[in-house]
Amino acid sequence: DTGVSQNPRHKITKRGQNVTFRCDPISEHNRLYWYRQTLGQGPEFLTYFQNEAQLEKSRLLSDRFSAERPKGSFSTLEIQRTEQGDSAMYLCASSLRQAISGNTIYFGEGSWLTVV
Amino acid sequence: AQTVTQSQPEMSVQEAETVTLSCTYDTSESDYYLFWYKQPPSRQMILVIRQEAYKQQNATENRFSVNFQKAAKSFSLKISDSQLGDAAMYFCAYTQIQGAQKLVFGQGTRLTINP
Repeated sequence: DTGVSQNPRHKITKRGQNVTFRCDPISEHNRLYWYRQTLGQGPEFLTYFQNEAQLEKSRLLSDRFSAERPKGSFSTLEIQRTEQGDSAMYLCASSLRQAISGNTIYFGEGSWLTVV
Repeated sequence: AQTVTQSQPEMSVQEAETVTLSCTYDTSESDYYLFWYKQPPSRQMILVIRQEAYKQQNATENRFSVNFQKAAKSFSLKISDSQLGDAAMYFCAYTQIQGAQKLVFGQGTRLTINP
């Protein structure tokens, strides 16, 4: 068990460029989440997958954001035409849904995005 | 919508002493989970302790314990015998039992440990 892995850890991009982040969850986990965290704030939910199905998206996720989880394994979060307001840390988390006792959510180290 | 409030942006404590971090939340649900997460600088978010709302007994994990007051919607974290490695941002979080179980976080409390 290597934990939740995110790449790249840091990305600096020019406004208007596209960026993509990758998340590799813990191998047996069927649930995967993306959160966004700005400096000095708590993380905010963006979207959630159960296996390969994207089941919920926050209103924070504008049309410029798209997330995928092909084959229910790794996930990608793409931001098109980046804006300075997109600068934040993007956190990925995963969990194993257990019917009775609920689940513990494990986080990756995050991907920092700076839009200049 | 559920909300989580942490009213202490910063706290400090002397090494080996005890500190309590406050958290209040708002929900119309009767059953849910509450969590405290720790986020050291440039490190990943780690689960510290978890409480199921249907359990009256307060959760305890070694030096970490909670005071869960369901009627008051209060969920404080007590850290005993504080250690330098406890320095971090601490986030209180809530999740529903059903559905996506997405976490709703508070704004965080930055804890400093003074040697």
